[in-house]
Amino acid sequence: NAGVTQTPKFQVLKTGQSMTLQCAQDMNHEYMSWYRQDPGMGLRLIHYSVGAGITDQGEVPNGYNVSRSTTEDFPLRLLSAAPSQTSVYFCASSYPGTGGSGELFFGEGSRLTVL
Amino acid sequence: GQQLNQSPQSMFIQEGEDVSMNCTSSSIFNTWLWYKQDPGEGPVLLIALYKAGELTSNGRLTAQFGITRKDSFLNISASIPSDVGIYFCAGQKVSNTGKLIFGQGTTLQVKP
Repeated sequence: NAGVTQTPKFQVLKTGQSMTLQCAQDMNHEYMSWYRQDPGMGLRLIHYSVGAGITDQGEVPNGYNVSRSTTEDFPLRLLSAAPSQTSVYFCASSYPGTGGSGELFFGEGSRLTVL
Repeated sequence: GQQLNQSPQSMFIQEGEDVSMNCTSSSIFNTWLWYKQDPGEGPVLLIALYKAGELTSNGRLTAQFGITRKDSFLNISASIPSDVGIYFCAGQKVSNTGKLIFGQGTTLQVKP
């Protein structure tokens, strides 16, 4: 059982380049989300989705786009990379319901460096 | 900005010692959760709390949902080397949204 799979694991970009971080889950979870982790700041929510075709902004959405065309996939797009977007990005999924929606399953992370 | 204050930021303890960390907020949360992150990996859920006052154990770990719904603590008893990692508290303000707010994390190091 693969769980939540993120690709790539490492990426170096130049300022202004665009790229997409891929996230796929095989647990049939309706909820998916993207967080970024920076030293001393914990994890901060970028975007989230409660189902295919439905997305919403989190705490730090600027500079990122998402779409959710299928239950399984939730890609994160950086439109024009900036050094401030250097971070470790985590994709997570969970199932709906009061007892489960906060019980996130995380991928292994994608480490992005913007020069 | 960050709405959960987690303390301490780091701990360096001897194997066998007990550990306590806590998380406070000025806001009310409906769910409190504790996650652990090992180096190079994503966080893994340790304990989830759903009711004010709830006390839940998972092996050597015990966590409580504060009665005011604005705080939570995590205790680890008889620490072992594999307890090393970063521990995060997280809160969900609105149930059934999947949106979590995380604390800054507590880095735990255990000396054998």
